[in-house]
Amino acid sequence: DAMVIQNPRYQVTQFGKPVTLSCSQTLNHNVMYWYQQKSSQAPKLLFHYYDKDFNNEADTPDNFQSRRPNTSFCFLDIRSPGLGDAAMYLCATSRDVVVRETQYFGPGTRLLVL
Amino acid sequence: GNSVTQMEGPVTLSEEAFLTINCTYTATGYPSLFWYVQYPGEGLQLLLKATKADDKGSNKGFEATYRKETTSFHLEKGSVQVSDSAVYFCALRDNYGQNFVFGPGTRLSVLP
Repeated sequence: DAMVIQNPRYQVTQFGKPVTLSCSQTLNHNVMYWYQQKSSQAPKLLFHYYDKDFNNEADTPDNFQSRRPNTSFCFLDIRSPGLGDAAMYLCATSRDVVVRETQYFGPGTRLLVL
Repeated sequence: GNSVTQMEGPVTLSEEAFLTINCTYTATGYPSLFWYVQYPGEGLQLLLKATKADDKGSNKGFEATYRKETTSFHLEKGSVQVSDSAVYFCALRDNYGQNFVFGPGTRLSVLP
């Protein structure tokens, strides 16, 4: 089945220690998104890629970076995690950015910062 | 700017009760509207969608109708099950298609 895969499902890191979360998709979608979600609040968009074009949200901290080496993979790098960065991180894809297109989400990676 | 408002939860129902979760939106033009469901510890799953006025989205017994005159997209189900316990998010994709806007989510608990 075509899908959005996130690994690992749970990630534990130490305060200040860089961590990378990964996302892959078999949908061959042009757009990949990263969201942060805390305590069943609404997901908060961090950034997205349209193909290789990177689009950062204005309020995304500089501590968060992303890479998309190819269509299938996208990575979220947190350079120096703080306690406030503990959250669920959701990857999503969309075929395009037109109004009718659905976003498809992965299962999420829950990040714990010690 | 665009926004989505949902009824505050948590909503607690008995099994086989009727469910309504209200959702209203503010957006320019003609957005597409979505309901997503999130089970504990999981990502968001698309439940249903509607892309134009008067469209009805339906899936797994859930329904929602895109009402432009009242800017609403209320979620309904005639008979809920314990397995429907989850958080439900209403969302829109605006006319420019760039980003999704999510509502705050409504937690539903269904008791046996």
